[in-house]
Amino acid sequence: KQEVTQIPAALSVPEGENLVLNCSFTDSAIYNLQWFRQDPGKGLTSLLLIQSSQREQTSGRLNASLDKSSGRSTLYIAASQPGDSATYLCAVAAGNMLTFGGGTRLMVKP
Amino acid sequence: DGGITQSPKYLFRKEGQNVTLSCEQNLNHDAMYWYRQDPGQGLRLIYYSQIVNDFQKGDIAEGYSVSREKKESFPLTVTSAQKNPTAFYLCASSIRFQGSLRFYQPQHFGDGTRLSIL
Repeated sequence: KQEVTQIPAALSVPEGENLVLNCSFTDSAIYNLQWFRQDPGKGLTSLLLIQSSQREQTSGRLNASLDKSSGRSTLYIAASQPGDSATYLCAVAAGNMLTFGGGTRLMVKP
Repeated sequence: DGGITQSPKYLFRKEGQNVTLSCEQNLNHDAMYWYRQDPGQGLRLIYYSQIVNDFQKGDIAEGYSVSREKKESFPLTVTSAQKNPTAFYLCASSIRFQGSLRFYQPQHFGDGTRLSIL
């Protein structure tokens, strides 16, 4: 059974700092991996999707990498801003299942 | 604007009561999903539907029921058999298949319903 873990569970950084969020998964036979953003009391917004054949995807200040062999993905946020404060979740698609991690709650302080 | 509307935003359930959460989408998506989110945990799939009049159980379907009579609507009923219903419930939708997205992957989410026990 696929298990997805996100570390740390919570992170607080000063504005302007570059940061890395981690996602690890136990079964490397995946179709793709997706990163989502969730604001408090809201639904999820898709940020980036990395296909199993890709190594990374970029969107603006966000860069997501994928290393299937080691079962890891990272989400890099450059020059963080208070508006980046949210919970970030990764989700792994494999077989007939989509498995979510528990999320990293990010707080960017002005 | 196209999107998913969930109602109500907050819902309270009494002991032994069934409650129904509404989910409506105007994105013309075939597939719809219901997820449950508990604090600090990932989303868990309750039910999903790929087409009208068809739906499948997810990982935690016990104590829940759904219907899909219209493409736009996918209501979720939390029955009295669900002993721990307190959670945040999210509805989502997707095109059945697009590029690398699998048929069971949601693309758009509603803003959720928070269900609590009285």
